[in-house]
Amino acid sequence: SQTIHQWPATLVQPVGSPLSLECTVEGTSNPNLYWYRQAAGRGLQLLFYSVGIGQISSEVPQNLSASRPQDRQFILSSKKLLLSDSGFYLCAWSVLGRFWGYTFGSGTRLTVV
Amino acid sequence: EDKVVQSPLSLVVHEGDTVTLNCSYEVTNFRSLLWYKQEKKAPTFLFMLTSSGIEKKSGRLSSILDKKELFSILNITATQTGDSAIYLCAADREYGNKLVFGAGTILRVKS
Repeated sequence: SQTIHQWPATLVQPVGSPLSLECTVEGTSNPNLYWYRQAAGRGLQLLFYSVGIGQISSEVPQNLSASRPQDRQFILSSKKLLLSDSGFYLCAWSVLGRFWGYTFGSGTRLTVV
Repeated sequence: EDKVVQSPLSLVVHEGDTVTLNCSYEVTNFRSLLWYKQEKKAPTFLFMLTSSGIEKKSGRLSSILDKKELFSILNITATQTGDSAIYLCAADREYGNKLVFGAGTILRVKS
């Protein structure tokens, strides 16, 4: 069965510090991978998506970047965090051609102080 | 620009009440409409609606899509405190599996 792992679950980081959030998927090959951010109690904003290794599309200009070094690994990074980067970050996957919605990871709650 | 609008933004009801959550969409190359429930962490899948007028049911939850008027509703009957959550609506488009999410409806069920 397919599973998605996301870590860490919570993170408190000072302004100006770097960030690395990791997401891995098991039990499937060549998934589409996504990073979403959710403001407190609100909907999801798509940040990045990837259809394959090294292929990253950015949806909104921001202080963040994403990378996909392996087929089932998706990393969200920042060189210098801003206060506005605080939020709940969700990784998700789907399979091209057999789309039945996303499967989400458990999320990372990031607080920038 | 593609958009999904949910209403109301928040709702407080008592146990046993019936609630209707609304979702309207304007999406190019629309393919399907999805509903998710989010409690504390990851959103969990509820329904995917592709055809107009066909109700989908799961226990006390049901949903229907109107592709002519571009909206969907999610009904919850005999609400329970465990139904308290954010309910997210999302539209899927042809040509690329990227969901467009609404802002969500925060439902609180009081005992």
